[in-house]
Amino acid sequence: AQSVAQPEDQVNVAEGNPLTVKCTYSVSGNPYLFWYVQYPNRGLQFLLKYITGDNLVKGSYGFEAEFNKSQTSFHLKKPSALVSDSALYFCAVRVTGNTPLVFGKGTRLSVIA
Amino acid sequence: DTGVSQDPRHKITKRGQNVTFRCDPISEHNRLYWYRQTLGQGPEFLTYFQNEAQLEKSRLLSDRFSAERPKGSFSTLEIQRTEQGDSAMYLCATGTGRADTQYFGPGTRLTVL
Repeated sequence: AQSVAQPEDQVNVAEGNPLTVKCTYSVSGNPYLFWYVQYPNRGLQFLLKYITGDNLVKGSYGFEAEFNKSQTSFHLKKPSALVSDSALYFCAVRVTGNTPLVFGKGTRLSVIA
Repeated sequence: DTGVSQDPRHKITKRGQNVTFRCDPISEHNRLYWYRQTLGQGPEFLTYFQNEAQLEKSRLLSDRFSAERPKGSFSTLEIQRTEQGDSAMYLCATGTGRADTQYFGPGTRLTVL
């Protein structure tokens, strides 16, 4: 069975500092990995995905993520955090193109001015 | 705005009543997914359609839940005899193509009193 772990419930970072939100996964087969962001009382917004190819994926709003097969990780990163990045971030995985996503529990990012 | 719309955005009902939610997908998307999200958790898969065919249902989808996508366009999710445990955010997502990115609607927040 597929699963995703986001080991940190909360990440705090000062504005302008780099941020990392961690994600590890467990699947049978090759994973398709996704990051979504959720603002209060809103649906999920797609940030980026890894399907195949370059392990470093660039996405929306300056975010990027690195696929590491040996560590089964897909951590989300941004070089310089903004207060407006404060939100709930979800990592998700699937193993084929038309299956449902399996989500982690989410990590709340708080960027402090 | 992802182009996926859901109606209503909020629904308050009394235990035992029936409720129906609607999702209108991005027009060219042939896959449509329903998820449920409770407080502090990531979205959990309920069911999905490819065109009008319902291809998979989660064990979370009890026999009080039914979903349809009659013409392969909009979809409805009905909950009969609602229970307090049904209180959650119900999210619709749509996608198309291989390794499709799922785009989420704003969700319907259900409160069962």
